[in-house]
Amino acid sequence: QITLKESGPTLVKPTQTLTLTCTFSGFSLSTSGVGVGWFRQPPGKALEWLALIFWNDDKWYSPSLKSRLAVTKDTSKNQVVLTMTNMDPVDTATYSCAQYSHFHKWFDPWGQGSLVTVSS
Amino acid sequence: DIQMTQSPSSLSASVGDRVTITCRASQSISSYLNWYQHKTGKAPRLLIYGASSLQSGVPSRFSGSGSGTDFTLTINSLTPEDFATYYCQQSFSMYLTFGGGTKVEIK
Repeated sequence: QITLKESGPTLVKPTQTLTLTCTFSGFSLSTSGVGVGWFRQPPGKALEWLALIFWNDDKWYSPSLKSRLAVTKDTSKNQVVLTMTNMDPVDTATYSCAQYSHFHKWFDPWGQGSLVTVSS
Repeated sequence: DIQMTQSPSSLSASVGDRVTITCRASQSISSYLNWYQHKTGKAPRLLIYGASSLQSGVPSRFSGSGSGTDFTLTINSLTPEDFATYYCQQSFSMYLTFGGGTKVEIK
């Protein structure tokens, strides 16, 4: 069974850097074709893709947020870390991670998400 | 970026109704189109991949169709657990994008 769980702060101040960790089980990020993606959903708004990291360390970012995002993986710990710099109240959202299959080109399964509020 | 436009943004339907949601891509994405169901407080769930393939474990009342720029998600005979928000997502470009979502509410 594959599971993913997001962890990190629930509250960050404006201008701070957000660091979120996706801890997963049931698969390895050293397996060819496997990736982990990050997403967010502001309250009342739609899902938005943020970043994707592959088994071979190839990385893709949302063009609109690329300058603020970084994604890394720790294969030994089964973790993927997302950092987002210069946080603003508009970045308040539920942040989620999901496994990506490069073969099927789908995200499945997903973590439940972690709400991050940006406020002073 | 490839823009994904869903319609309607919301709809009201009754248990047993047939519901159709459309998704239009700003350029051709072949069949690289997935549909997800999302309920508040829960993890999104993959329903359809490759525009028309049903993910394992998903009830057969869900179906998808389309290719190129126009796609459809159909729910036959709506059940109480189907009230949720549905998103399309293109995977043609590595700059992945979602539609704006369609909230299916109880009439």
